[in-house]
Amino acid sequence: EVQLVESGGGSAQPGGSLRLSCEASGFTFSSYWMHWVRQTPGKGLMWVSRISGDGSSISYADPVKGRFIISRDNAKNTVYLQMNSLRAEDTAVYYCARSATAYNSFDPWGLGTLVTVSS
Amino acid sequence: DIVMTQSPDSLAVSLGEGATINCKSSQSVLYSSDNKNYLAWYQQKPGQPPRLLISWASTRESGVPDRFTGSGSGTDFTLTIGSLQAEDVAVYYCHQYFGIPLTFGGGTKVEIK
Repeated sequence: EVQLVESGGGSAQPGGSLRLSCEASGFTFSSYWMHWVRQTPGKGLMWVSRISGDGSSISYADPVKGRFIISRDNAKNTVYLQMNSLRAEDTAVYYCARSATAYNSFDPWGLGTLVTVSS
Repeated sequence: DIVMTQSPDSLAVSLGEGATINCKSSQSVLYSSDNKNYLAWYQQKPGQPPRLLISWASTRESGVPDRFTGSGSGTDFTLTIGSLQAEDVAVYYCHQYFGIPLTFGGGTKVEIK
């Protein structure tokens, strides 16, 4: 069974950092692009970042560019999101998701991990 | 950025009746080289992550009931639920994967009347 499990969420102060992890199982991890998507009640779903199967191609959404870093360890079947200089507006549930190619739908999604940024 | 606009924001439908959700993109998501629309539909139930229903605008995913139908091309798309069942109560999102940043519609909440 294909499965994605996020971890690392929690509370942080503005300006702080968190590192999210997403462990994959049930498929050949290195063959897939991986994405981070966040969801807030007020602003819906927002794509955050993506990384290619070999880690050579990376993209970010403008609101997180320069603050967040996506990476992956194919030996550990895990994708990471290092979140620095956190802001209140980064508060959201963060999902990881898989896509077969750079431009493809997301399937499946993990259950998500909640990040709360507050003083 | 490609802006995805869904309508309506919410709708209430009687069990067994049909439901139609619209999604409009600010620019075409039809790629001329492969003649595919880079558009997906997801279903999200409370407390769950989104679930892929439809990809390439009209390709139903494995295990998705055939009462779910995706249609449209270019900039205008529709998700139709043929005969609403109780388990279809959810929020539905469209998603374009044509260009970066990848973007989603604001969601349509489907409830039972």
